[in-house]
Amino acid sequence: NAGVTQTPKFQVLKTGQSMTLQCAQDMNHEYMSWYRQDPGMGLRLIHYSVGAGITDQGEVPNGYNVSRSTTEDFPLRLLSAAPSQTSVYFCASSQDRADEKLFFGSGTQLSVL
Amino acid sequence: KNEVEQSPQNLTAQEGEFITINCSYSVGISALHWLQQHPGGGIVSLFMLSSGKKKHGRLIATINIQEKHSSLHITASHPRDSAVYICAACWRSNYQLIWGAGTKLIIKP
Repeated sequence: NAGVTQTPKFQVLKTGQSMTLQCAQDMNHEYMSWYRQDPGMGLRLIHYSVGAGITDQGEVPNGYNVSRSTTEDFPLRLLSAAPSQTSVYFCASSQDRADEKLFFGSGTQLSVL
Repeated sequence: KNEVEQSPQNLTAQEGEFITINCSYSVGISALHWLQQHPGGGIVSLFMLSSGKKKHGRLIATINIQEKHSSLHITASHPRDSAVYICAACWRSNYQLIWGAGTKLIIKP
């Protein structure tokens, strides 16, 4: 099992560019989520999904889009990158929202110039 | 307003010392997670607990629901325990996780 596969590991964008962070899991998990991690702060939830076809906003959704067309994949799209979106991004999955064990991707370090 | 507070922010100790990391929260929760973030950035689940105590190897997690407080202990600490330890409270109303900012632990040989 690969677990949660997140790509790319590093990305540099110019202001206004768009890009998609990829996230895939092979554990048949229903719950998937995207977080951003900024220095000195806890992880902040961007968007989440409780199953294929269902997504919802988290704490900091502005400037990001998601879709969940399959159970396995949960891509995060930056529509028009801004310097404030410079951060480390993590995708996570679990069997459901109350599951004991959370599985994380390896993270994406994004810099927006 | 940070509803989950961890202390200390940074902790440096000598190999073999007993380590305690604290997590306090202000909301009603159904459970609390402890996770470890390796120096390379990867995040791994350690425990989820809703009452009492759990133990795995040299790691022990406790929670006191009435006092809204949890602790993570490491016995016989080792340099490979050096990492950031993060607690996350599972909000009872909607199961959203509220994250602490993490405790950076360095164990010196």
